Amino acid sequence: ELKVEQNPLFLSMQEGKNYTIYCNYSTTSDRLYWYRQDPGKSLESLFVLLSNGAVKQEGRLMASLDTKARLSTLHITAAVHDLSATYFCAVEPSNTGNQFYFGTGTSLTVIP
Amino acid sequence: ETGVTQSPTHLIKTRGQQVTLRCSSQSGHNTVSWYQQALGQGPQFIFQYYREEENGRGNFPPRFSGLQFPNYSSELNVNALELDDSALYLCASSLRTSDEQFFGPGTRLTVL
Repeated sequence: ELKVEQNPLFLSMQEGKNYTIYCNYSTTSDRLYWYRQDPGKSLESLFVLLSNGAVKQEGRLMASLDTKARLSTLHITAAVHDLSATYFCAVEPSNTGNQFYFGTGTSLTVIP
Repeated sequence: ETGVTQSPTHLIKTRGQQVTLRCSSQSGHNTVSWYQQALGQGPQFIFQYYREEENGRGNFPPRFSGLQFPNYSSELNVNALELDDSALYLCASSLRTSDEQFFGPGTRLTVL
């Protein structure tokens, strides 16, 4: 059974601090996506990682992918309140090519 | 460029009834995927349609069915509704079957 696990599930951090969210998956894949979801809203695409060693940065967020370790990270630098949301990683297995398997989600609260 | 739209926004049904949810894909996108997101969980893949044909299915019973039309819009039909079908149903469109997916606002279905 394919598993996509994120940790932590819940994260409360103060503004200005740094932290990393981890996404581990149990299948072969070269494609991983990060999404943000605000309460009651849909999913907003943050990053598309398409190869081993891919690193992408946007503002205070940076995502990386290690396909050999089957691990992706989402690093938050100097958190601000506006980053409070739930973050999901999604894996596209190599043998399906079209099905996204989402992680459990990490609920982030940034405290002023 | 018009994004992914879904209708209705909210829906309340009773057990045993049938429901149809609708999705219009982003302009130029020929692939539509449907996901079910239960409260507090990550989205789960239901199925994908590419050029009017089903192109992959997740672990959902046959009472979940779909259609895609020539203009690439799509429907999700659920028969014999159960209480556990209560969830946010998300539609996502993409340019190809293996590409970044853009999500619609979702339909919140409540089964009483």
